[in-house]
Amino acid sequence: GNSVTQMEGPVTLSEEAFLTINCTYTATGYPSLFWYVQYPGEGLQLLLKATKADDKGSNKGFEATYRKETTSFHLEKGSVQVSDSAVYFCALSLKGSSDMRFGAGTRLTVKP
Amino acid sequence: DVKVTQSSRYLVKRTGEKVFLECVQDMDHENMFWYRQDPGLGLRLIYFSYDVKMKEKGDIPEGYSVSREKKERFSLILESASTNQTSMYLCASTLGGQGGSYEQYFGPGTRLTVT
Repeated sequence: GNSVTQMEGPVTLSEEAFLTINCTYTATGYPSLFWYVQYPGEGLQLLLKATKADDKGSNKGFEATYRKETTSFHLEKGSVQVSDSAVYFCALSLKGSSDMRFGAGTRLTVKP
Repeated sequence: DVKVTQSSRYLVKRTGEKVFLECVQDMDHENMFWYRQDPGLGLRLIYFSYDVKMKEKGDIPEGYSVSREKKERFSLILESASTNQTSMYLCASTLGGQGGSYEQYFGPGTRLTVT
C-alpha cells in the first residue's frame, strides 16, 4: 500500500541551526509529495510540494527534493528560527486521487 | 484564500452523548475529509466524501458516521461518544477531478474531550 515514514521526534535545535527531517515513502504509482506544518493550536497548512521526480519544492526557506531513486522527500532549512517551532507532516497522494497518506509527524522546537 | 471552518475549537461531551462536528468550506471543493489526530499516530482518515450525499469509509470509520447534504458542508457524527474518541478532529477539503495533484486545505481542528 501507499505509506509515508518520517523521522521520529521530537527534534530540538538552537536558533540558526540546520534542520533536516527525513521522509521516505512507499507508493504503487507515481505520487505527489507534500510537507505540511501545524503550528500550535492550528490546523495543517501546506508548506511545500513536488509533483514529479527531481522537483524541488521550496517555501519560507524550507526545501525538499523529490528523490525517486531513494524514495525520499527530506525537509531542510539552513537556519531555523524560534517561529519555526511546529509539527511537520510528510504526505503523499497519487495523481488523480484525493486520498492522502500522512506520516506520524515530527515536532520541532527551536530554542533562542 | 480557501477557508475551511469548523463549528467548535473545543468540545467537552459525556460518554453516550450524540456529538455533531460541522465543517464548512467556501471554495466549491468536490471532496471533503474527516481525520482524527492522535500523538504518534499522525492523521487517520475516518470518512471522506467526493460529492453531495456520497460518502466513503476511511481507515477508522467505526463509531462514526457522516452527512453531506450540501456541497460546502460535511458533518461528522459520533452516535454514542466514548472516551476513546477523545481526540483532535480535523476537516479538510480538496478540488476533485482526474489527473491533478491536489493539496488538501484544513480547518483549525476541534479538540473533543469525552468524559
